[in-house]
Amino acid sequence: GNSVTQMEGPVTLSEEAFLTINCTYTATGYPSLFWYVQYPGEGLQLLLKATKADDKGSNKGFEATYRKETTSFHLEKGSVQVSDSAVYFCALSAAGGTSYGKLTFGQGTILTVHP
Amino acid sequence: NAGVTQTPKFQVLKTGQSMTLQCAQDMNHEYMSWYRQDPGMGLRLIHYSVGAGITDQGEVPNGYNVSRSTTEDFPLRLLSAAPSQTSVYFCASRPTGGGYGYTFGSGTRLTVV
Repeated sequence: GNSVTQMEGPVTLSEEAFLTINCTYTATGYPSLFWYVQYPGEGLQLLLKATKADDKGSNKGFEATYRKETTSFHLEKGSVQVSDSAVYFCALSAAGGTSYGKLTFGQGTILTVHP
Repeated sequence: NAGVTQTPKFQVLKTGQSMTLQCAQDMNHEYMSWYRQDPGMGLRLIHYSVGAGITDQGEVPNGYNVSRSTTEDFPLRLLSAAPSQTSVYFCASRPTGGGYGYTFGSGTRLTVV
């Protein structure tokens, strides 16, 4: 079946540090890949997405590249801010079959950024 | 544009009680889903719908029922609440077609005592 594995957290950084959160996946075919962010007490918000190999999704300074050869979709940001403190989820949506359109999530990574 | 609206935001139930978590979206999305979020486990799919009158089970469907009589609404019913159903529940929707992300509601925090 489909699965998503994220690096274990929590991750604690100082403001303006570089961020990487690793995400790898297992799926048949060419799934769509997503990063979601959850701020305290809120629902999930779509941060960025990529729908085919070598696509780069970007938003609010965050980037992630769809790497088919390594089945990865790592999240990066060059300079984090205190306001980036949140839980980040990697997810995939299957390209076809009985799982088409269903999201499979990683376990989430808690990010805390200190001033 | 309200997006995805979930009610109630908080609920406490006694073991064995039943209740319905409401979810409504005003974006004319065909796909709707219910997830539960538990610490250290990410989000797990409970039930899923690709349109009015069509539902399917997800990863953890036991103890929950759904129906989809309209495009807008997708209620989740707990038949006989158990402490293991203590969780945060999220409803989400998206348009038909590949590559679209889901829009999530703000969640319902349920405690079963």
